[in-house]
Amino acid sequence: AQSVTQPDIHITVSEGASLELRCNYSYGATPYLFWYVQSPGQGLQLLLKYFSGDTLVQGIKGFEAEFKRSQSSFNLRKPSVHWSDAAEYFCAVAQSQAGTALIFGKGTTLSVSS
Amino acid sequence: DAMVIQNPRYQVTQFGKPVTLSCSQTLNHNVMYWYQQKSSQAPKLLFHYYDKDFNNEADTPDNFQSRRPNTSFCFLDIRSPGLGDAAMYLCATRQGAQREETQYFGPGTRLLVL
Repeated sequence: AQSVTQPDIHITVSEGASLELRCNYSYGATPYLFWYVQSPGQGLQLLLKYFSGDTLVQGIKGFEAEFKRSQSSFNLRKPSVHWSDAAEYFCAVAQSQAGTALIFGKGTTLSVSS
Repeated sequence: DAMVIQNPRYQVTQFGKPVTLSCSQTLNHNVMYWYQQKSSQAPKLLFHYYDKDFNNEADTPDNFQSRRPNTSFCFLDIRSPGLGDAAMYLCATRQGAQREETQYFGPGTRLLVL
């Protein structure tokens, strides 16, 4: 069965420090992977996605993610975190059937300290 | 701006009293989804529409129904809300059936059941 694991429930990073959020997936074929961010009281906003090509993908707000098939991972990174990045981050994989939805990980809450 | 709109943002209902949540979109997407997100959990798909075709997830309770009168609008009806139905309800849209297509989310409706 398809699944997504985000091992870290909560991470605190100092403002200006680098960030890496971990995501591991379980999927038999080529995964279609997404990272979404959810600010308090808001819906989910797409940061970036991967489905083929270059394994390092660039997203909005200075985020990037690297797909590593050998490790079944799709970790999200940012070189310098800003206070406004504090939010909940969800990794997701698209189900194999066309027209169906995303399978999300449980999310990682990012806190930014000054 | 084109977007996904959910009304109301907060809904309080009584145990067993039917409630309807609304979603509208200006993106003209043909796929619309309803997700349930309980506190500190990942969004979970309830059902989706591909055009007028309704697709229910196998584990979605019968208590949850949906209507899509036209492309722009989709409703979530909870016939007899229980305390366990308190959650954030997210509407999302997508154009087409390809897995790499982005899902666009609304801000969500937070439902409280008293």
